Amino acid sequence: KQEVTQIPAALSVPEGENLVLNCSFTDSAIYNLQWFRQDPGKGLTSLLLIQSSQREQTSGRLNASLDKSSGRSTLYIAASQPGDSATYLCAVERGSQGNLIFGKGTKLSVKP
Amino acid sequence: DTEVTQTPKHLVMGMTNKKSLKCEQHMGHRAMYWYKQKAKKPPELMFVYSYEKLSINESVPSRFSPECPNSSLLNLHLHALQPEDSALYLCASSRGTEYNSPLHFGNGTRLTVT
Repeated sequence: KQEVTQIPAALSVPEGENLVLNCSFTDSAIYNLQWFRQDPGKGLTSLLLIQSSQREQTSGRLNASLDKSSGRSTLYIAASQPGDSATYLCAVERGSQGNLIFGKGTKLSVKP
Repeated sequence: DTEVTQTPKHLVMGMTNKKSLKCEQHMGHRAMYWYKQKAKKPPELMFVYSYEKLSINESVPSRFSPECPNSSLLNLHLHALQPEDSALYLCASSRGTEYNSPLHFGNGTRLTVT
């Protein structure tokens, strides 16, 4: 059974700092890995999708890496801003049916 | 603003009520999903529709009944729910299950069962 773990559960940093969020998964047979952010009481916003054959994806200040063999992904956020404060969720898709298995998330707080 | 629209935003219903949640997208996506998110927990998949046909039912109780009238609309009919069914119900869509494409989520319907 696929299990997804995110460390740390919560993180507080001062504005401007670069930071890394970690995600690990137990079964390396994945179709893709997706990173989302969720603001309180809201839905999920897709940030990056890394296909199983890819090593990384970048979007603006965000960079996500994937090491399938070791079952790890990282989300790097450069020059953090207070607007980045949210819960960041990592999810792996095993088959191609949209069945995402989510981690419990990392709650990020960026202090001005 | 999200491109997946869910109504209502909030719903309070009794255990004997019948209600429906609605979801709409106009991105031309051919796969649509219902996820359930309990407080302080990650989302969990309930149903997947691919080209308007139900392709995955994650052993969801029959008091939840999905419906996909057309490629833009997805409903979730609720009947005889229990208080433990209170949660945020999230609808999502993607280009298609055969494509390696991201899921786009709506803002959810927060359901309280009394």
